[in-house]
Amino acid sequence: AAGVIQSPRHLIKEKRETATLKCYPIPRHDTVYWYQQGPGQDPQFLISFYEKMQSDKGSIPDRFSAQQFSDYHSELNMSSLELGDSALYFCASSLEGQISYEQYFGPGTRLTVT
Amino acid sequence: AQKVTQAQTEISVVEKEDVTLDCVYETRDTTYYLFWYKQPPSGELVFLIRRNSFDEQNEISGRYSWNFQKSTSSFNFTITASQVVDSAVYFCALMGGGSNYKLTFGKGTLLTVNP
Repeated sequence: AAGVIQSPRHLIKEKRETATLKCYPIPRHDTVYWYQQGPGQDPQFLISFYEKMQSDKGSIPDRFSAQQFSDYHSELNMSSLELGDSALYFCASSLEGQISYEQYFGPGTRLTVT
Repeated sequence: AQKVTQAQTEISVVEKEDVTLDCVYETRDTTYYLFWYKQPPSGELVFLIRRNSFDEQNEISGRYSWNFQKSTSSFNFTITASQVVDSAVYFCALMGGGSNYKLTFGKGTLLTVNP
């Protein structure tokens, strides 16, 4: 079965640079979630989209923006990168209204800011 | 506000021992969902189980079992006859029953199973 795809899997950037993370949800899934997991931390919710509209927002810095496109893939854009942005970024997808309410996680993108 | 507490930061056991990971949650929602995820050293989040707030039936899946008690707001996870491959960080997570389905994770418990 197809899973959530995230690209790139690893990314190294320097301070003040920009990064774009991509997420391709499971086919037919209409909802995408982004989570940030710092070293030794639990995943923290950043933002979610349902049917290409932002549905919820967590502790996402103003330097970050995200959107969901017509094909349901999503991109997380991060500007003016800081050392503290180094983390594992997960994307998850789900199907709104599904009974299980299960979010299927991608393998994550490991971002290192030097 | 929703909160998940995993009081055990780290647990170390010897192979074949049974181990229980504790999870206590707080929510004002009457309908909610509880999850357990496993995060091995490779980093991916592996879904283990989902439980609805209106279903307190305990569940067993192979060596894994879960005990859900609404009276104590707990959703504990037991691994029977632990194996080295069980070594990972385990996260308990809570999803509210409103229209926003974000997950709130606990801090995680690092389980090390020694041979």
